[in-house]
Amino acid sequence: NAGVTQTPKFQVLKTGQSMTLQCAQDMNHEYMSWYRQDPGMGLRLIHYSVGAGITDQGEVPNGYNVSRSTTEDFPLRLLSAAPSQTSVYFCASSERTGTGRRSEQFFGPGTRLTVL
Amino acid sequence: AQSVTQLDSQVPVFEEAPVELRCNYSSSVSVYLFWYVQYPNQGLQLLLKYLSGSTLVKGINGFEAEFNKSQTSFHLRKPSVHISDTAEYFCAVSDQWETGNQFYFGTGTSLTVIP
Repeated sequence: NAGVTQTPKFQVLKTGQSMTLQCAQDMNHEYMSWYRQDPGMGLRLIHYSVGAGITDQGEVPNGYNVSRSTTEDFPLRLLSAAPSQTSVYFCASSERTGTGRRSEQFFGPGTRLTVL
Repeated sequence: AQSVTQLDSQVPVFEEAPVELRCNYSSSVSVYLFWYVQYPNQGLQLLLKYLSGSTLVKGINGFEAEFNKSQTSFHLRKPSVHISDTAEYFCAVSDQWETGNQFYFGTGTSLTVIP
């Protein structure tokens, strides 16, 4: 049981390049989320998914796309990288409990992205 | 929407002293509560959680937290801290009455343990 995995761990891009951050979970969780973490700003939600085929925007979605074709995978795409997207990116997953609330989120190890 | 407030952004404390990290949330209706810890250059790890039952919750590494419904608080405590407790701590809330995301984080408290 690997939990939540993210690749790559580190990435350097030039302004204007595109790339995909990969996220996968093997716990059959319905919910998956992408966060970015910047110094002094905590965790900010980029996009999330409540199940395969269903995604929605979070707090800071501009410049990012997501898709959820399977329960396991939730890739995050940077369409045209900008220096403002330099950050640490975390993927997380959780299950829906019988009460309708989300259980605790399980986090991946993160991807440290630098955009030059 | 739910909001989560961590009142102290930085907390310095001497080794072996007690510590309390404060967390308040906006809605008292039917929530789950969590504390996470993030060590330098690592991901977030669950410290403890409140789902139901006893309002005093014990977690890993000697931490505990108390759910206070009337004050909508979930403060984290440890009676004696160690150097290894130096980390960022996040409070989080899962709200039944929200649709969509349902999960909200505070902005974090940086705990520094001084030798």
